[in-house]
Amino acid sequence: QSALTQPRSVSGSPGQAVTISCTGTSSDVGGYNYVSWYQQSPGKAPKLIIYDVRKRPSGVPDRFFGSKSGNTASLTISGLQAEDEADYYCCSYAGSYTVIFGGGTQLTVV
Amino acid sequence: EVLVVQSGAEVNQPGESLKISCRVSGYIFTSYWIAWVRQMPGKGLEWMGIIHPGDSDTRYSPSFQGHVTISADKSMSTAYLQWSILRASDTAIYYCARLPSPAYPAFDVWGQGTMVTVSS
Repeated sequence: QSALTQPRSVSGSPGQAVTISCTGTSSDVGGYNYVSWYQQSPGKAPKLIIYDVRKRPSGVPDRFFGSKSGNTASLTISGLQAEDEADYYCCSYAGSYTVIFGGGTQLTVV
Repeated sequence: EVLVVQSGAEVNQPGESLKISCRVSGYIFTSYWIAWVRQMPGKGLEWMGIIHPGDSDTRYSPSFQGHVTISADKSMSTAYLQWSILRASDTAIYYCARLPSPAYPAFDVWGQGTMVTVSS
């Protein structure tokens, strides 16, 4: 069970938008609408920012937008802010009560 | 307030056994599943397995099956992750997290992580 594929790093300037992709297979991302995204700042525990492909938990700004097409899920962050600099991980249900994470993407706000 | 508090950092030698804990409060322990997630130094998140504290139904990632044991004590509102034989490659931060269903990977509350160092 290989990790979902994410770009190792992305960058953007304050105010811009960036998109992080998360590619799996028809057995995980493509097979279920159960994709979640997590933000992890250095030295901190991950934080849920998107679940069920596009839903945001209470308190997460609407600058964070999730979507999915086929076997690829995406996280778009608009209006980039310095505080968005962190690692981002996607996660998908993979059947038989198992879960798989992406390899993680480091977001740099330059 | 929902809280998930993990036990403190551990330093062990290869071959030793270890059990770390994850204590929850602020919600009904048996209403959610608990997952364990590994993060090796400088690496990404890896799902290890889950347990339903109500009936101890447990599922493991094939990558961890047979090497770790996940358990829970309802009376203590605490979940556990244990090793009978530690290896140097077990050095990592281990997180526990709450989720509503095993088929619904929305880990909405996380513990602070337990750093496990295995070295001779």
